[in-house]
Parts: sequence; C-alpha cells; structure tokens
Amino acid sequence: GNSVTQMEGPVTLSEEAFLTINCTYTATGYPSLFWYVQYPGEGLQLLLKATKADDKGSNKGFEATYRKETTSFHLEKGSVQVSDSAVYFCALIYNQGGKLIFGQGTELSVKP
Amino acid sequence: DAGITQSPRYKITETGRQVTLMCHQTWSHSYMFWYRQDLGHGLRLIYYSAAADITDKGEVPDGYVVSRSKTENFPLTLESATRSQTSVYFCASSSKQGASTEAFFGQGTRLTVV
Repeated sequence: GNSVTQMEGPVTLSEEAFLTINCTYTATGYPSLFWYVQYPGEGLQLLLKATKADDKGSNKGFEATYRKETTSFHLEKGSVQVSDSAVYFCALIYNQGGKLIFGQGTELSVKP
Repeated sequence: DAGITQSPRYKITETGRQVTLMCHQTWSHSYMFWYRQDLGHGLRLIYYSAAADITDKGEVPDGYVVSRSKTENFPLTLESATRSQTSVYFCASSSKQGASTEAFFGQGTRLTVV
C-alpha cells in the first residue's frame, strides 16, 4: 500500500547546524509530496511541496527534492534557528481529492 | 473569522459517553478530513468527505461517526468513548483542485477519555 517513512526523532541540533530529515515513500503512480510543520500547541501548516519528479520545493530556507529513482523527499536546511524547533511531517497524496498520507513525524529541537 | 476552527480545544470525558468534536471552515472547500495524532503513529486518517452528504472511511474509522449536511461543517462523533480514543484530533480541508492542493488544518482538539 501507500506509505511514508521518516527518520525517527527527536533530533537535537545547535543553532546554525545543517539539518537533514529523511523521508521515503511507497506509492503507486505519481504522488505529490509535502512537508508539513507543527509548532508547539498548533495545527499543521504546509512548509513546502513538490508535484513531480525532480521538482524542488523550498520555503523559509528549507528545501526538498522529489527523487523518483530513490522514492525520497528529504528535508534540508543549511542553518537552523531556535525558531525552527517543531515537529516535521512528510506526506503524500496518491490520488485526486487531497487525501494525505503522513509519516510518523520527526521532532526537531534546536538549542542556542 | 476566516479559516478552519475546531471546538472544543480540550475535552475530558468518561468511558462510554458520546462525544462530538466540531469542525467549521469558511472557504467552502469541498474536501474535509479528520485525523488523529498519536505518538509514534503520526497522523492517521479517520474519515474524509468529498462534498456535502458524501463521506468515506479512512485508515482508522472504527468507533467514529461523521456527517456532512453542510459544506462548511464536518462533526466527528465518538459513539461510546474508549480510553484508546484518547488522542489529539485534527480537522483539515482542501479545495477540489487536484492532487497537489494544500490542506489547511485546524488547531486540534485534545481529547482525554478517563
């Protein structure tokens, strides 16, 4: 079936460190891929997305590239800030209608 | 206010009670969803709706009932609450524009069943 697997957390980094959160997926056809972020006490909000192979989504210094050959959509940021502390969810949509399938989430904690 | 709102934000109920979580969106989005968030499981889809009067089961529908008589509302009812339904519940909506459409989430309802 269709699924998303993320690296386990929590991930703890120092400010200005490089961030990678791994995400791989299993899906039939050609899904769209998303990263959502959840700040403490809040709902999820879209961070970035990519709708076809080799697309790069980017926002707020975060980037992720849709790699069909490795079925991956890893999230990266060159220099994290304390304000980036949150839970990050990788997700895919595998058909029309926006029914999102989520990974288990990765908690990121950035220390000053 | 524009957006998607859930109520209540926090709820404590007893085992066996019926509980209804409310979700309201102001965009007239066609699609609405209910997810539950549990540690180690991420978000799991409970039910979704493609339009008023059209609903379908998600990954974990047992013990839940939904209805959608109006486009803007999508209440979730726990018919007889159990401790395993203690969770954070998120409602979401998206427009009918295809597979790349962004979903917008409410702030969540933290439900505790004692």
